[in-house]
Amino acid sequence: AQKITQTQPGMFVQEKEAVTLDCTYDTSDPSYGLFWYKQPSSGEMIFLIYQGSYDQQNATEGRYSLNFQKARKSANLVISASQLGDSAMYFCAMRGGGGRGSYIPTFGRGTSLIVHP
Amino acid sequence: DVKVTQSSRYLVKRTGEKVFLECVQDMDHENMFWYRQDPGLGLRLIYFSYDVKMKEKGDIPEGYSVSREKKERFSLILESASTNQTSMYLCASCTDIRNEKLFFGSGTQLSVL
Repeated sequence: AQKITQTQPGMFVQEKEAVTLDCTYDTSDPSYGLFWYKQPSSGEMIFLIYQGSYDQQNATEGRYSLNFQKARKSANLVISASQLGDSAMYFCAMRGGGGRGSYIPTFGRGTSLIVHP
Repeated sequence: DVKVTQSSRYLVKRTGEKVFLECVQDMDHENMFWYRQDPGLGLRLIYFSYDVKMKEKGDIPEGYSVSREKKERFSLILESASTNQTSMYLCASCTDIRNEKLFFGSGTQLSVL
């Protein structure tokens, strides 16, 4: 079974500062993938970034980077230079590699990020 | 752009009613999913389908059923709606479940009174 833990229900950050959203995971699959999604108040889930368990380097997509620490089973999202439009819910998700059922992404409980001007 | 369309953004139903939530995707995706989202609980999988007429239960299937008669359409059915099914329902789809991100619809906020 896969498990995703997001321990920060809410985070506040000043505009233009960097912020880290925490995510830890648990799985017995040797191969897996980690995702981050953003959900603005409009409701639609927006894909941000993906990290494969065998990827040697941390994933980056513009202002988003994923701090992947395999031994610690953590996959924190780092947002650099926060903008007001970054205010949203952020979800960490994981898919396993042990068969069709484990491929289905499991989501964490989410972190609400508020960016102050 | 990939489009996943959920038929209603907001829906209000009475206890005991039969409720249909419709989801249509336009990218010929094999896999489709229904998640339920509640504050503090994140997204929980209700059902998923990996092909036409194929369906598998997720983590919380009780009180729900699904139908996938055509590849592009995945329907979630509440046979007899109850107040504890008041929630945000998110539909998603993808082609390769092993490697691909999910494409989500905008969600349906269902209120059961």
